[in-house]
Amino acid sequence: KAGVTQTPRYLIKTRGQQVTLSCSPISGHRSVSWYQQTPGQGLQFLFEYFSETQRNKGNFPGRFSGRQFSNSRSEMNVSTLELGDSALYLCASSLAARANSYNEQFFGPGTRLTVL
Amino acid sequence: ELKVEQNPLFLSMQEGKNYTIYCNYSTTSDRLYWYRQDPGKSLESLFVLLSNGAVKQEGRLMASLDTKARLSTLHITAAVHDLSATYFCAVPLPGANSKLTFGKGITLSVRP
Repeated sequence: KAGVTQTPRYLIKTRGQQVTLSCSPISGHRSVSWYQQTPGQGLQFLFEYFSETQRNKGNFPGRFSGRQFSNSRSEMNVSTLELGDSALYLCASSLAARANSYNEQFFGPGTRLTVL
Repeated sequence: ELKVEQNPLFLSMQEGKNYTIYCNYSTTSDRLYWYRQDPGKSLESLFVLLSNGAVKQEGRLMASLDTKARLSTLHITAAVHDLSATYFCAVPLPGANSKLTFGKGITLSVRP
């Protein structure tokens, strides 16, 4: 069974630009969550999508947005990039039939974004 | 706000010795996850602890959960170099199991 895939794996952008990251979950998984990892703040939850709807949201500014398609693939977008957006962006997929049900999350390899 | 604390943040271990690392959290949760991360890599799931008193073992690692104390421990038996990595614990927000709050991580380094 293929794991979670993320593209691209590495990205270099300049301040003010926007970026779109993609995540394909494990086949059959309908929930995709996104996390940002930085040395200073650690791992922080961005948002979760389930059946094309945002189900949970973290404390990030509106420049961070996402969406999910009918095939469960998800994209996240960051507009007007800032230097502080440089991070490893991880997505995780799970079955997650219900919001409060147990669901193990499987993480993808991440996209390393560098903002210059 | 849910807070997850891990200590120590860095641990230098001697090969062959036993160690215990800790994860505590601030609000009620009956679930806790442990992940391992190697430098430059993603997160690998180690343990899923789903109830009070849960104990899971895999090789030289054993994890347990005490929901009353809001504490999980990860015990390392006879440390080996391959265990060098950063270990994160994560707690889901009650009612929103996909929203994980992570600790800062504990970086373990095993020396000969």
